[in-house]
This record gives sequence, C-alpha cells and structure tokens, in this order.
Amino acid sequence: EVQLVESGGGLEQPGGSLRLSCAASAFTFSNYAMSWVRQAPGKGLEWVSAIGGSGGSTYYADSVKGRFTISRDNYKSTLYLQMNSLRAEDTAVYYCARGNPWGDPFDIWGQGTLVTVSS
Amino acid sequence: QSVLTQPPSVSGAPGQRVTISCTGSSSNIGAGYDVHWYQHLPGTAPKLLIYDNNNRPSGVPDRFSGSKSGTSASLAITGLQAEDEAHYYCQSYDTSLSGSVFGGGTKLTVL
Repeated sequence: EVQLVESGGGLEQPGGSLRLSCAASAFTFSNYAMSWVRQAPGKGLEWVSAIGGSGGSTYYADSVKGRFTISRDNYKSTLYLQMNSLRAEDTAVYYCARGNPWGDPFDIWGQGTLVTVSS
Repeated sequence: QSVLTQPPSVSGAPGQRVTISCTGSSSNIGAGYDVHWYQHLPGTAPKLLIYDNNNRPSGVPDRFSGSKSGTSASLAITGLQAEDEAHYYCQSYDTSLSGSVFGGGTKLTVL
C-alpha cells in the first residue's frame, strides 16, 4: 500500500528548531516531487515547501523562506523538513504529500505530525 | 484570509444533494489553473477527491463530482451519506504567489 508516515513533531520554544521526517513506501520515491503542507489550529491548509524528485530544486512559501529547509534522501525514501527560528505561528499539523505545488494535485498524504511552538 | 474562498459550512439530510463553492481570482482559477478537491476527517490523512476540476481518482464514488467556470469551482455531492460528514478543501495554483493555494475549508454536516 502506498503510504507516507510523518514523525518528528513535538513541543519547541520560540526560536528553537525541529526536524520532521516523512517515510515513503510502496512507490518509486525518486520519481515524484514531494511537498509539506500544514494546518494551523482552526485554520485551513497551507502549502509550505516542495522539492523536486532529484532533490535539486526546492521551493518555499514566503512565510517560511529563510527559516525552513526541505531535503530528501532517495535511498531511504524519506523526506525531511528542517525548521529553524520557530515562531508561535508555525504551530500546526504538518503533512507530507506526494506532488508538486505548480498545479498538480497532492494525491497521497500522510496523517500528519503536530508541531507546537510555545514557551 | 485564504486565497480561495469557501463557505465555512454546509449541511444536508441523508439522500440530498449539496454543493460547495470555491471562489478564486484571475491569478488562480480564472487564469485557467485546475482545481482539486480534498476530503479531510480530523486526525486522518486528507484524501484526494476530485482532480483537474472534474476527475475522480479510482475508488471515489460517482456521487462526488466537480465543475469549474470562470473564477469559481464547485464540488457536488449527491445521495448524501453519514460517512460524507467531513471537511472539504479546494486547491489550485496561484501565479502571484508562485505556489499552491487552498480554500479555507468547508465543514459538511449530515443532518
């Protein structure tokens, strides 16, 4: 079964860092662009970042540019999101999703991992 | 506040038909970009329901359909069932933001 499983969420103080992981299974990971999408409490979905299949191209929403770094390890079929300089407004459930943010649908999603930024 | 505008909530009785609208602008839906729809139950993975305006992935019942016109799109659900109670989100691409944008989500209540 095609599956994405996120991990690495938790409670972090403002200004701190967290690294999220997303393990993919049952598909050729390197063939697909991957994205992170988040949902703040009581809010809608927000695309955060994307990376091409080879990992050579990365893209960020303005709200996280310069603070978050997306990467991938195609040998491990794993997607990462390094989150630095965390702010209270980064508090959200973070989902990894298969697909690019330039018009294609996100056809496979993980169940999400909760990130809480609070002192 | 979301780039795409959806009604916060809709409701219907079992067996009825409901529609959920998604209104954008000339920089996204109106520019010709496709609209996709997702079904989301809290605590679970969002599920792709409709892609490219009116196509259903394998396994999605034909009770779900999508349409697009001008700067708006709609999701229709016929023969409403209790299991359809969920949040629904539309998504498209925005040229001004150079990335995907979502609607604020619509909570469907089956009465």
